[in-house]
Amino acid sequence: DAGVIQSPRHEVTEMGQEVTLRCKPISGHNSLFWYRQTMMRGLELLIYFNNNVPIDDSGMPEDRFSAKMPNASFSTLKIQPSEPRDSAVYFCASSKGQGIYEQYFGPGTRLTVT
Amino acid sequence: DAKTTQPPSMDCAEGRAANLPCNHSTISGNEYVYWYRQIHSQGPQYIIHGLKNNETNEMASLIITEDRKSSTLILPHATLRDTAVYYCIVRARNTGGFKTIFGAGTRLFVKA
Repeated sequence: DAGVIQSPRHEVTEMGQEVTLRCKPISGHNSLFWYRQTMMRGLELLIYFNNNVPIDDSGMPEDRFSAKMPNASFSTLKIQPSEPRDSAVYFCASSKGQGIYEQYFGPGTRLTVT
Repeated sequence: DAKTTQPPSMDCAEGRAANLPCNHSTISGNEYVYWYRQIHSQGPQYIIHGLKNNETNEMASLIITEDRKSSTLILPHATLRDTAVYYCIVRARNTGGFKTIFGAGTRLFVKA
């Protein structure tokens, strides 16, 4: 299995631009999670989906952030407009379900907003 | 959600056992203890989890106290590649599913 796939691995953009991060979960996993990691705040859960439905988006920082999961094999996290404080590593993870199943993380996307 | 407390950092000699403690004194009866680790610049990696009984897999052992208020992750023969941040997590359940909250973790340095 290829594991969780994220793209791009690195993104550099200017303030005000739209940024779209992509994630392909492990086949057969029906829960998907988006995290953000910074030195100051550590690893934060932004949103998670179960069976393509958003279950908890309380971690999404503000309206500039949105996430979608149009099907079981693809999810996007969009930031519009981007700001320098959005600079972080964004991880996607998937698991077999909502329950006690362990999460498998992707390699992350390092976002730099100048 | 139950909170966890871990030491910020620990050292371990290569080849020796690394024992990483975690306190979770407010854990609820249906909450599991999970351990993940994050090697520099990589995504977190699942290690092990347990509810009441001690658990062992190819990576590590998990010892949970009888009152479940604390646990210890044991890497039996630490190698340099085990240098990482280790997260102890109590899996909390909220409406619609389980939510995983990562704390600051313990930075383990394995030294030659």
